[in-house]
Amino acid sequence: GEDVEQSLFLSVREGDSSVINCTYTDSSSTYLYWYKQEPGAGLQLLTYIFSNMDMKQDQRLTVLLNKKDKHLSLRIADTQTGDSAIYFCAAGSSNTGKLIFGQGTTLQVKP
Amino acid sequence: DGGITQSPKYLFRKEGQNVTLSCEQNLNHDAMYWYRQDPGQGLRLIYYSQIVNDFQKGDIAEGYSVSREMKESFPLTVTSAQKNPTAFYLCASSIGGRSPLHFGNGTRLTVT
Repeated sequence: GEDVEQSLFLSVREGDSSVINCTYTDSSSTYLYWYKQEPGAGLQLLTYIFSNMDMKQDQRLTVLLNKKDKHLSLRIADTQTGDSAIYFCAAGSSNTGKLIFGQGTTLQVKP
Repeated sequence: DGGITQSPKYLFRKEGQNVTLSCEQNLNHDAMYWYRQDPGQGLRLIYYSQIVNDFQKGDIAEGYSVSREMKESFPLTVTSAQKNPTAFYLCASSIGGRSPLHFGNGTRLTVT
């Protein structure tokens, strides 16, 4: 079945760049999202990319999509302590209409 | 301000009791969803509704029930048949199609 995989933990120093990776299995996934979850809160949409795009940049965030390898990454430039959170990748299939979430990557930013 | 409201934030129940979690949205969204989140796991879809008076089972619907009598409201009942009900429950809504999901702030349910 459809699956989305992420590494569970990433630790970086404040000011460094963070790169969070995600792989998905459903080749019909046409839209991919990144969400951020702070402790005890819901998920906040950060950015998204459609499958006809390779890259999307939005201020400190850069999303790269490699459709051949079904690999998605989120780069956060100049990472701040306020970026510490869980980041979820989600892949949406135009066939099923369902959104499949990865397990989430906990980003720890050390001062 | 438009948004999704889940209440209460924390809920405690004794085993064997049914409990209903509230989800209300004023975004005029057609589609609404319920997800369950457990530590170290992604979100798992319980039920979703794409239009009023219609809903479908998600991946883990057993032990749960929903209703969608109004566009704004999509309550979730956790029944006594749900074997491991303690979890963080998230409600979401969307315009539908490819549009992103907007999430509420969640309800943490503890059953003892």
